[in-house]
Amino acid sequence: DAKTTQPNSMESNEEEPVHLPCNHSTISGTDYIHWYRQLPSQGPEYVIHGLTSNVNNRMASLAIAEDRKSSTLILHRATLRDAAVYYCILRDGTGANNLFFGTGTRLTVIP
Amino acid sequence: NAGVTQTPKFRILKIGQSMTLQCTQDMNHNYMYWYRQDPGMGLKLIYYSVGAGITDKGEVPNGYNVSRSTTEDFPLRLELAAPSQTSVYFCASSFDPRSYEQYFGPGTRLTVT
Repeated sequence: DAKTTQPNSMESNEEEPVHLPCNHSTISGTDYIHWYRQLPSQGPEYVIHGLTSNVNNRMASLAIAEDRKSSTLILHRATLRDAAVYYCILRDGTGANNLFFGTGTRLTVIP
Repeated sequence: NAGVTQTPKFRILKIGQSMTLQCTQDMNHNYMYWYRQDPGMGLKLIYYSVGAGITDKGEVPNGYNVSRSTTEDFPLRLELAAPSQTSVYFCASSFDPRSYEQYFGPGTRLTVT
């Protein structure tokens, strides 16, 4: 599986936008970019995913670079509930395989 | 829908004991997964299943066994527990593994002493 690189930690003030970066320079043409987050003492939850185009949903936006070697998860207004570890994951779109979780980015939201 | 449920929530085992971690989903998903998460680390895949009667190894399968007799249930068996199996175990399911999300259970925290 192609690997991703994320900063270990980031901080944001409450109600401000947050941009969480992810590098995936070895991404293949069939890899989807997925983002999950894990709140304290809970299982991971799906946030968003995309292939080539930018994506928006009720939780976040995903901006994908034109060469697909990097992406950014955007939380438009951080709340205290958004404090979590965010994982950027590549999934091969051709097979029945798993999610490869790195160590993610721990987001701290400051009141 | 209850989603993905796991039992027990917590368990302490002695070295050499065995146990089964239960996982059930009510979303009629064909794909189910078992992950473990060690402290401060991401999740690692133990086993997965693409449907009833079909299972396959993931990244860290040693010391574990699985079965999938129904679409709903995917139990994980630990034989001869070892301290290295102290971890939090998450079960997940998905409709389609290629582009859709996985739904995770709340986890089972296992300590082997």
